[in-house]
Amino acid sequence: VLTQSPSASASLGASVKLTCTLSSGHASYAVTWHQQLPEKGPRFLMAVNSDGSHNKGDGIPDRFSASASGAERYLTISSLQSEDEADYYCQTWDSGIYWVFGGGTKLTVL
Amino acid sequence: DVNLVESGGGLVRPGGSLRLSCAASGFTFKTYWMSWVRQRPGKGLEWVATIKHDGSQDYYVDSVKGRFIASRDNVNNLLYLQMSSLRVDDTAFYYCARGGTNVYWGQGALVTVSS
Repeated sequence: VLTQSPSASASLGASVKLTCTLSSGHASYAVTWHQQLPEKGPRFLMAVNSDGSHNKGDGIPDRFSASASGAERYLTISSLQSEDEADYYCQTWDSGIYWVFGGGTKLTVL
Repeated sequence: DVNLVESGGGLVRPGGSLRLSCAASGFTFKTYWMSWVRQRPGKGLEWVATIKHDGSQDYYVDSVKGRFIASRDNVNNLLYLQMSSLRVDDTAFYYCARGGTNVYWGQGALVTVSS
């Protein structure tokens, strides 16, 4: 249902846009984004709807934003910092009940 | 603040049982569906189970159906995952999570199934 690139990289201070692609028939679904720092549990970043509207989790910096286009949901991180190096997962609900996760994108900050 | 704290993890033999607990605070627990998500070593996140706000219905990933049971105590704000017939590939960190507009996660409990 959800496809993510396994890895991404960008330079310190730059911006990076991570993509989560919904499968056919699910293009209208909202998606949530989660960050998992090394050796830590997941942390909710934000939810993004099909129209690109989004709501952020508690204390999430303005450097993190989300958008949408068709079946794709994006997480953009600007002014990359070393502490942004983490795994990023997108998630949605199938039939409104079953949690479905993308495979995750490992972000490396160069 | 929303807070979810798991407990009950540990080492168990294959075929054994274990019960995880998740203590919830900072929100009206009885109004939210709650879920369990696990992460096997070096792998991604995998949904395990969800239970309705009133405990009247629960849902499971196929690999744990018939072995795991989610339940809740809405008086004491507790979520449980009873795991039985445990297998080596059930070894994982188990997280409780609250859905809704914002998702909240616990810190996780490690379950190791090994002989």
